[in-house]
Amino acid sequence: GAGVSQSPRYKVTKRGQDVTLRCDPISSHATLYWYQQALGQGPEFLTYFNYEAQPDKSGLPSDRFSAERPEGSISTLTIQRTEQRDSAMYRCASSSGGLAGRQYFGPGTRLTVT
Amino acid sequence: GENVEQHPSTLSVQEGDSAVIKCTYSDSASNYFPWYKQELGKGPQLIIDIRSNVGEKKDQRIAVTLNKTAKHFSLHITETQPEDSAVYFCAASIIGANSKLTFGKGITLSVRP
Repeated sequence: GAGVSQSPRYKVTKRGQDVTLRCDPISSHATLYWYQQALGQGPEFLTYFNYEAQPDKSGLPSDRFSAERPEGSISTLTIQRTEQRDSAMYRCASSSGGLAGRQYFGPGTRLTVT
Repeated sequence: GENVEQHPSTLSVQEGDSAVIKCTYSDSASNYFPWYKQELGKGPQLIIDIRSNVGEKKDQRIAVTLNKTAKHFSLHITETQPEDSAVYFCAASIIGANSKLTFGKGITLSVRP
């Protein structure tokens, strides 16, 4: 695709529900990142994938957070038993990987937990 | 881990003037420093980046300088225009490791017409 896309753009859910966010990276980009961005802050790293491998989950806040990229393209981020503190913007970025470095961000999903 | 700090948190300039935004980083292993512009309702847009083997890079009205010894880097915008008004984020990473970006908190730049 022309750029990184994310869906839904907005999600309101009740505390305790599970949510799944989707990221569709730039086609042929090997590397995909998930970040969490609180209001007034910069994005913070959650996890990343090289194709379908997930080498680093160190930024995931708790075991309620998980991510997948089963075919090395589209990725999902799932938050189980949502809590109000999970309310944030969730951003996905993709990169061609290796020594390329440059990451291109999608528009994000605004999650609100009520 | 890496810590990136960005000061000040807001900057207001007159249209046509220059704007300089500064960032510091803590990890001397960091070797890649991008700058992102974030407009309201949009995702961060990469505007310029620099690697540690280069001291300065310029692209039309924007430039970035890097001082590895002092561990700081700066974004320079010349001849500012109202459409430059946005939140600007600096970031740092280590290329070749997981390349995860560590961001500063962002600075809100306002260009007064």
